[in-house]
Amino acid sequence: DQQVKQNSPSLSVQEGRISILNCDYTNSMFDYFLWYKKYPAEGPTFLISISSIKDKNEDGRFTVFLNKSAKHLSLHIVPSQPGDSAVYFCAASGDYGGSQGNLIFGKGTKLSVKP
Amino acid sequence: DSGVTQTPKHLITATGQRVTLRCSPRSGDLSVYWYQQSLDQGLQFLIQYYNGEERAKGNILERFSAQQFPDLHSELNLSSLELGDSALYFCASSRQGTGSGNTIYFGEGSWLTVV
Repeated sequence: DQQVKQNSPSLSVQEGRISILNCDYTNSMFDYFLWYKKYPAEGPTFLISISSIKDKNEDGRFTVFLNKSAKHLSLHIVPSQPGDSAVYFCAASGDYGGSQGNLIFGKGTKLSVKP
Repeated sequence: DSGVTQTPKHLITATGQRVTLRCSPRSGDLSVYWYQQSLDQGLQFLIQYYNGEERAKGNILERFSAQQFPDLHSELNLSSLELGDSALYFCASSRQGTGSGNTIYFGEGSWLTVV
């Protein structure tokens, strides 16, 4: 059973516009959420995170929103740039029995930003 | 550069063989994680070590084993290799081993091809 779901395998956006990547989770014990960006044949790179005590965290062009009641988070990239084209993974963790700080990943969304 | 070093970057081996993948965590990180990414799969958690001891186990096959040494580097041993073991294997590390706010940082990966 997938605990972290990214239902859109791909997303195409025009340069300069906003990219919105979505992520849903099922485990109510998750309390820390992260976004990673991955280029082909490279390791995932940490982008931004949010704790469950917040509903928004911003870092430059990247903003993550968390809606705990809906068990939903989203990553906004504004403005989108061609260099943002990559696969974006949503991940979650929680301090519950058996988790041990391990991250559970979604399957990723491939973002293509067209010039 | 995340500071996590993995070797080798690429490896081609035959079915039935055994290989060892090596990982050096970021300076100061006590926890090491191993993930597998197959062609059509997301990032699958294999195993986690914290300060030399196994902390959590994921979808790791019995043919696979890992350890973390006193200098905190880790090795993932894959034996009796099958074609389906061909994948990108990532090592990641984090400062702490558990708890909320535990961001993990990934290496570049070891690309294993079994022929």
